[in-house]
Amino acid sequence: SYELTQPPSASVSPGQTASITCSADKLGEKFASWYQQKPGQSPVLVVYQNNMRPSAIPERFSGSNSGNIATLTISGTQAKDEADYYCQAWDSTTVIFGGGTRLTVL
Amino acid sequence: QVQLVQSGAEVKKPGASVKVSCKASGYTFTNYFMHWVRQAPGQGLEWLGIINPSAGSTSYVQKFQGRVTMTRDTSTSTVYMELSSLRSEDTAMYYCARDILGATGGRGYFDYWGQGTLVTVSS
Repeated sequence: SYELTQPPSASVSPGQTASITCSADKLGEKFASWYQQKPGQSPVLVVYQNNMRPSAIPERFSGSNSGNIATLTISGTQAKDEADYYCQAWDSTTVIFGGGTRLTVL
Repeated sequence: QVQLVQSGAEVKKPGASVKVSCKASGYTFTNYFMHWVRQAPGQGLEWLGIINPSAGSTSYVQKFQGRVTMTRDTSTSTVYMELSSLRSEDTAMYYCARDILGATGGRGYFDYWGQGTLVTVSS
């Protein structure tokens, strides 16, 4: 079965750039989306179709997808960006989620 | 504004069934697919399946085949997810989430989510 692999955790200093990866075989041939989830809240879409950003999401969130790796990049990270982040893609007619990455801003 | 409002928390005994609802508003109900996703306590997101509210057609992840049923009522813009033969491992927050593209070209994504329904399975 197709699996999306994310590092369990990542950390970044305020104002710096955070990069969260999602890896799978030939992931670059698929479309990756990213969701942010804060404790006790529903997930929120932050990037879709590899590098598109919903209108309500700040420009500091961006995405890329090439080869076997999709990347979510947060530029000028703020304390409020501390959350769990999940990548998502389709494998034929099945939705696959990565295991999630907890981003700590310290 | 788009809203997906789910039914309240449920407590069920092992072997029972649960039916969770998700009422949509603020958009044309039949123009968007609806997914169901669950999250066990402290765990990641797990996809259960998708329903096309226009046609009523469904697709479920193989793991839940035979235990999950997704339906819709177009008169009330509501989708339902029923899970049977509940076991303790089914204890989780269950979310509905909207998607305009579905599996088409693998482009689908979830732009709005419900607030979640906590289902607890305990004897």
